[in-house]
Amino acid sequence: SQTIHQWPATLVQPVGSPLSLECTVEGTSNPNLYWYRQAAGRGLQLLFYSVGIGQISSEVPQNLSASRPQDRQFILSSKKLLLSDSGFYLCAWSDTLEEKLFFGSGTQLSVL
Amino acid sequence: LAKTTQPISMDSYEGQEVNITCSHNNIATNDYITWYQQFPSQGPRFIIQGYKTKVTNEVASLFIPADRKSSTLSLPRVSLSDTAVYYCLAHPDSNYQLIWGAGTKLIIKP
Repeated sequence: SQTIHQWPATLVQPVGSPLSLECTVEGTSNPNLYWYRQAAGRGLQLLFYSVGIGQISSEVPQNLSASRPQDRQFILSSKKLLLSDSGFYLCAWSDTLEEKLFFGSGTQLSVL
Repeated sequence: LAKTTQPISMDSYEGQEVNITCSHNNIATNDYITWYQQFPSQGPRFIIQGYKTKVTNEVASLFIPADRKSSTLSLPRVSLSDTAVYYCLAHPDSNYQLIWGAGTKLIIKP
């Protein structure tokens, strides 16, 4: 069966520090991968999605970037965090862009 | 892209059937309707998806009238563990076009 791993679960970082969140998927090949951010009490905002290695589509211009160095690995990064980067970050995968999403357990990021 | 409107919150009791209605007045011909469930500090989980009429799975039923301007998620005999936020999405057949609202916070009481 397929599983998605996302870590860390919580992270507290100072303003101006770098960020690296990692997500890996097991049990499937060539998944579509997504990074979402969720503010408290709000819906999800799509940040990036990827249909293959090295292929990244950005939905919202911002202080973040994403990379997909391997088929089942998706990384969210920032060189310098801002206070506004705080939120709940979720990684997800799907078999195709048309199929249902499977989410990881999320990372609660607090930038102080 | 179709925007959905759903109640901010609902309360019910264990053993009851819960119906959450979602309005999507400007739904497009090729849009699907999908519902996800989210528990605190977890990612959303797919519940059900439909295009028209009625869809049923082991978890829920989805009723979509002929005009498709609304849909109703029905949860039979809820338990305390069904307390969660439920998201209704009306979207073309592509995940990168999903628009997530704030959802409906469902609270089940004993």
